[in-house]
Amino acid sequence: DAGVIQSPRHEVTEMGQEVTLRCKPISGHNSLFWYRQTMMRGLELLIYFNNNVPIDDSGMPEDRFSAKMPNASFSTLKIQPSEPRDSAVYFCASSLRTVGGTQYFGPGTRLLVL
Amino acid sequence: AQSVTQPDIHITVSEGASLELRCNYSYGATPYLFWYVQSPGQGLQLLLKYFSGDTLVQGIKGFEAEFKRSQSSFNLRKPSVHWSDAAEYFCAVGALDFGNEKLTFGTGTRLTIIP
Repeated sequence: DAGVIQSPRHEVTEMGQEVTLRCKPISGHNSLFWYRQTMMRGLELLIYFNNNVPIDDSGMPEDRFSAKMPNASFSTLKIQPSEPRDSAVYFCASSLRTVGGTQYFGPGTRLLVL
Repeated sequence: AQSVTQPDIHITVSEGASLELRCNYSYGATPYLFWYVQSPGQGLQLLLKYFSGDTLVQGIKGFEAEFKRSQSSFNLRKPSVHWSDAAEYFCAVGALDFGNEKLTFGTGTRLTIIP
């Protein structure tokens, strides 16, 4: 299996620009998670989906962040407008929704907002 | 609410020495517990997990962890570390609840290996 695929791997943008991060979960998995990792706050869950439906978005920092999952094989996390404090590594993870199900992480997107 | 504490921010051990990384969790019911490893510039890779059965679980790369309910701990061990084990290690707790898939991660322990 190819694992969780994220693109781009690195993104450098200027403050105020729109940023779109992409994720392809493992085939057959029905839950998808977006995390943000920073030195100051560690690993934070932003939002997760089950069967393409957002279940918990309580971790989304503010209205500038939005996430979609139009189908079982694709999700996006969008930041508009971006700010320097959004600089972080963003991870996507997927799992099969079962008791004790394991989340499998992608390689992450390293975002730098100047 | 569930929480995880990894009291050691950074640990340095000599290659070939034994290793124990500490993890304490807080959760009101039966938890399920994970250890993940993150190498520089990489995503998180699952080392092992516990959610029922034998309280000593074996994982990949020679790691094991022991669930101790009385101490609310899930410490990770390895009898002899290799230079390639240098990485950041995260403990995580989740609800053994089909309706709640959220994991709560600790702040991580960075492991440095010296020759």
